Amino acid sequence: SQQGEEDPQALSIQEGENATMNCSYKTSINNLQWYRQNSGRGLVHLILIRSNEREKHSGRLRVTLDTSKKSSSLLITASRAADTASYFCANFPPGSGNTGKLIFGQGTTLQVKP
Amino acid sequence: GAVVSQHPSRVICKSGTSVKIECRSLDFQATTMFWYRQFPKQSLMLMATSNEGSKATYEQGVEKDKFLINHASLTLSTLTVTSAHPEDSSFYICSASQPSSSYEQYFGPGTRLTVT
Repeated sequence: SQQGEEDPQALSIQEGENATMNCSYKTSINNLQWYRQNSGRGLVHLILIRSNEREKHSGRLRVTLDTSKKSSSLLITASRAADTASYFCANFPPGSGNTGKLIFGQGTTLQVKP
Repeated sequence: GAVVSQHPSRVICKSGTSVKIECRSLDFQATTMFWYRQFPKQSLMLMATSNEGSKATYEQGVEKDKFLINHASLTLSTLTVTSAHPEDSSFYICSASQPSSSYEQYFGPGTRLTVT
């Protein structure tokens, strides 16, 4: 794949539970981003974590980054039915400079059952 | 926040015809826009980078004569799928970044193209 792997590919949980999605990437990065995509819609930027950061929070979202393992995780706490969506990690490939060119992971489809 | 629109949201066309998709940044100027395609249950694949006033940069394997990109102004980029075939049926998404921050991209709602 262009980017790497995300696991799980699909995740189904009950409302109120936590959801954890993982992303592995293949190249060095300056930062890594997470996006959400509701079915048949565009993407919404959730959070950006820089390569010198290990953890970042935004509301019910917690993102970790382990550059030694080239992996990141997205944790959604106290999930809601409205969190049902696909989640993608993305970063800028080496040599892309400041072009803004993003490469996406394969994505995790999350279903939160009410 | 920054808003990007796409038009049309859905289009059905016959094989052999051409289809134009518009991507507009509504409240900011986008020097760079990006075009992606997404097959069902798959990730986004970058097709090309569109720079205002210059030729688009296409990713490997993307036919530039088939997917014509024009970025004539700082708020509009268009993708024209020429001589469309059923295998071109896909979800096309554009994004735009502001000159001040290429790190954050704003995505359009996507265009569902169905070629019959």
